[in-house]
Amino acid sequence: KNEVEQSPQNLTAQEGEFITINCSYSVGISALHWLQQHPGGGIVSLFMLSSGKKKHGRLIATINIQEKHSSLHITASHPRDSAVYICAVHFGNEKLTFGTGTRLTIIP
Amino acid sequence: GAGVSQSPSNKVTEKGKDVELRCDPISGHTALYWYRQSLGQGLEFLIYFQGNSAPDKSGLPSDRFSAERTGGSVSTLTIQRTQQEDSAVYLCASSLVKSYEQYFGPGTRLTVT
Repeated sequence: KNEVEQSPQNLTAQEGEFITINCSYSVGISALHWLQQHPGGGIVSLFMLSSGKKKHGRLIATINIQEKHSSLHITASHPRDSAVYICAVHFGNEKLTFGTGTRLTIIP
Repeated sequence: GAGVSQSPSNKVTEKGKDVELRCDPISGHTALYWYRQSLGQGLEFLIYFQGNSAPDKSGLPSDRFSAERTGGSVSTLTIQRTQQEDSAVYLCASSLVKSYEQYFGPGTRLTVT
């Protein structure tokens, strides 16, 4: 069965802390997305990657194809980073299979 | 250019009524997806259109759900005889052909009373 697991489900941290959110998947994939969803807001795609590492500002996404694992890191976290972060993968086709999300709260 | 738009943004309907949700994809995007996010649940795939190919309906939860895409652009998701469990945020996304990069709309929040 094609599954995507995220951890932790909830994460609360102090402003400035380094944040890591993890995503594991069950079988080989074509590509993986990290998405951000603010309360009451839409979904924004942060990264799409199929190998290696990508960086955008304070956000870094890595993927290890052999270990079927990806991580999203946030450096120097800020209260505006508070959101739900969702990992989603393509299991060899265009459809996305989603993780359950990680609710991140950054306390000033 | 404009992003993906959806209408209405919110819809409250009585159980048993039919509803139509609309999605306008980004111009030139041939692929269009519908997803659903139920309260307290994760996102789930519903249906996928790619150009003139037959849609992938494998995610539709029941035969009360249907979708069409007219002229390869605008799509309408129809839910007949709505049930309370249909209450969710319905999201639409679009992408270029053979691209995994999807752009999401703001969603339609459906509440069935």
